[in-house]
Amino acid sequence: DVKVTQSSRYLVKRTGEKVFLECVQDMDHENMFWYRQDPGLGLRLIYFSYDVKMKEKGDIPEGYSVSREKKERFSLILESASTNQTSMYLCASSSPWGTVEQFFGPGTRLTVL
Amino acid sequence: KNEVEQSPQNLTAQEGEFITINCSYSVGISALHWLQQHPGGGIVSLFMLSSGKKKHGRLIATINIQEKHSSLHITASHPRDSAVYICAVRFRVIKSQGNLIFGKGTKLSVKP
Repeated sequence: DVKVTQSSRYLVKRTGEKVFLECVQDMDHENMFWYRQDPGLGLRLIYFSYDVKMKEKGDIPEGYSVSREKKERFSLILESASTNQTSMYLCASSSPWGTVEQFFGPGTRLTVL
Repeated sequence: KNEVEQSPQNLTAQEGEFITINCSYSVGISALHWLQQHPGGGIVSLFMLSSGKKKHGRLIATINIQEKHSSLHITASHPRDSAVYICAVRFRVIKSQGNLIFGKGTKLSVKP
């Protein structure tokens, strides 16, 4: 079974802190994604990566950056956390070929105070 | 404008009822996914389809390519089916490989 893990299920940070969210997948997938999910808005793509050290902006990249130094690990960075970044963050991975089904991690619920 | 529309947004049913959730999209797609998200956050893939119909247990997914519409049906609904159901599509003309566009989800609550 594909497994996507995220470093924390719940996280509480203060405004202005630098926040790291880590995601690891064990299926040797090329594609990895970071989404945020807010009530009434659904899943929105922040960034994705299609290879090591490669990244592309999604729909809402402002205030975020990412890092992919190894194929299995994709990190989301909030350089200076703000209260409007309080959200559920979901990581996913997929192969670029075939069905491109995405496999999701359990999510990190981040609260910025 | 969201290119994937789901209806209804919220749905409450009694145990045993037949449930239908709808998904419409704007242009040609290469694949459509139905996902389930239980309280607590984790998302699991239920179906991926590009034509016809698929069935898994009490769940049935259909797609009509000409009408750009898909439905997810749940027969003999049970309280454990309570979750958010999300439709996601991969459009044929895509900006980047592997990207999905998501509907806003349908929150289903099945009462005993």
